[in-house]
Amino acid sequence: GIQVEQSPPDLILQEGANSTLRCNFSDSVNNLQWFHQNPWGQLINLFYIPSGTKQNGRLSATTVATERYSLLYISSSQTTDSGVYFCAVHRGGTSYGKLTFGQGTILTVHP
Amino acid sequence: DAGVIQSPRHEVTEMGQEVTLRCKPISGHNSLFWYRQTMMRGLELLIYFNNNVPIDDSGMPEDRFSAKMPNASFSTLKIQPSEPRDSAVYFCASSRLGNEQFFGPGTRLTVL
Repeated sequence: GIQVEQSPPDLILQEGANSTLRCNFSDSVNNLQWFHQNPWGQLINLFYIPSGTKQNGRLSATTVATERYSLLYISSSQTTDSGVYFCAVHRGGTSYGKLTFGQGTILTVHP
Repeated sequence: DAGVIQSPRHEVTEMGQEVTLRCKPISGHNSLFWYRQTMMRGLELLIYFNNNVPIDDSGMPEDRFSAKMPNASFSTLKIQPSEPRDSAVYFCASSRLGNEQFFGPGTRLTVL
């Protein structure tokens, strides 16, 4: 099956810093999603981005499908950004949106 | 929309007992997914349905696990008998036509 690798596995920042999280995948994908799992365990949708660039406030994401990677940018980080960030991909075809998840990046933002 | 609804939010049971987890997908979504999250294995897909029909149950760990979707607005995941290694957070998610998936709050299962 498709492999999804995220880096770095852990990231510690001071409030106000910027960061870039990376997601590499081993095969062509139809769709890609970024999630934030907050300290209460909720999985929150950040971006649905099979290709191109999207921005939402301090967060933005870019997917280069031909090179099989996606990047999540967090600017001016806040303590509420802490949690685990997951990348998940869907191969398309007849898999009806079945997602394969990476192992996540654990982000800790200190005040 | 209320989003994906799961119940119960927490379940503590003893080994050997039957456990039933419930999910109500977002109205209008035709695909439903059950995932399990553990520290060791991360987030893994157990089974998914399209138009109430099970499509792929290859992720179901063993015969003790079963899932049903009797109608478009309800699904269950049952574990019988439960074992301590089944302790995990179980998520339900739904999507429309295989597009963006939305997750429920999860059920935290503890089997003693």
